[in-house]
Amino acid sequence: AQTVTQSQPEMSVQEAETVTLSCTYDTSESDYYLFWYKQPPSRQMILVIRQEAYKQQNATENRFSVNFQKAAKSFSLKISDSQLGDAAMYFCAYRSDFGNEKLTFGTGTRLTIIP
Amino acid sequence: ETGVTQTPRHLVMGMTNKKSLKCEQHLGHNAMYWYKQSAKKPLELMFVYNFKEQTENNSVPSRFSPECPNSSHLFLHLHTLQPEDSALYLCASSQEYRQNNSPLHFGNGTRLTVT
Repeated sequence: AQTVTQSQPEMSVQEAETVTLSCTYDTSESDYYLFWYKQPPSRQMILVIRQEAYKQQNATENRFSVNFQKAAKSFSLKISDSQLGDAAMYFCAYRSDFGNEKLTFGTGTRLTIIP
Repeated sequence: ETGVTQTPRHLVMGMTNKKSLKCEQHLGHNAMYWYKQSAKKPLELMFVYNFKEQTENNSVPSRFSPECPNSSHLFLHLHTLQPEDSALYLCASSQEYRQNNSPLHFGNGTRLTVT
């Protein structure tokens, strides 16, 4: 079974600075998808960024980028120029490419932005 | 404005009560999901419906009973719950089931407290 580990329960960063959230996962599969979701106080989970395992190039979405290290099974999220609206819980998630819809989530990292 | 609406936002119920959670999606999606989010635990997938048919039940106790009358509506009927069932219940939808280019769209959740 796949597992996703987020070893940082809480992180904080100064506004306008850069922060990196860590995620590691365990799988025996070679094809899969990885996601970062954001959950602000409104509680709605919002997709931040997605990475296909077969792509070597790291995904980027505006200020958000990932460092995908397939051999190390690592998938970190970098937030550049942090803004107050980035404060939220961030969840890393894994999904197999073998037709299984089940998303396996990590336990989350609470990100605080310091003004 | 979220395309997935959940009601009620908060619910407190006794162990002998019967209540229902409602989810409605306005996105024209074909698949709908119930997730349970407990403190300090990863999100747990409970049920998946595709075109109104239940396709997954992840060993959820029978005191949780889902209903999907059409592709836009999903209910979770609750009866004889236990205090450990207290959690945030999240509904999600996606365009297609088992389609990895089809991201999940979440609602704001129902915060359930069982007394």
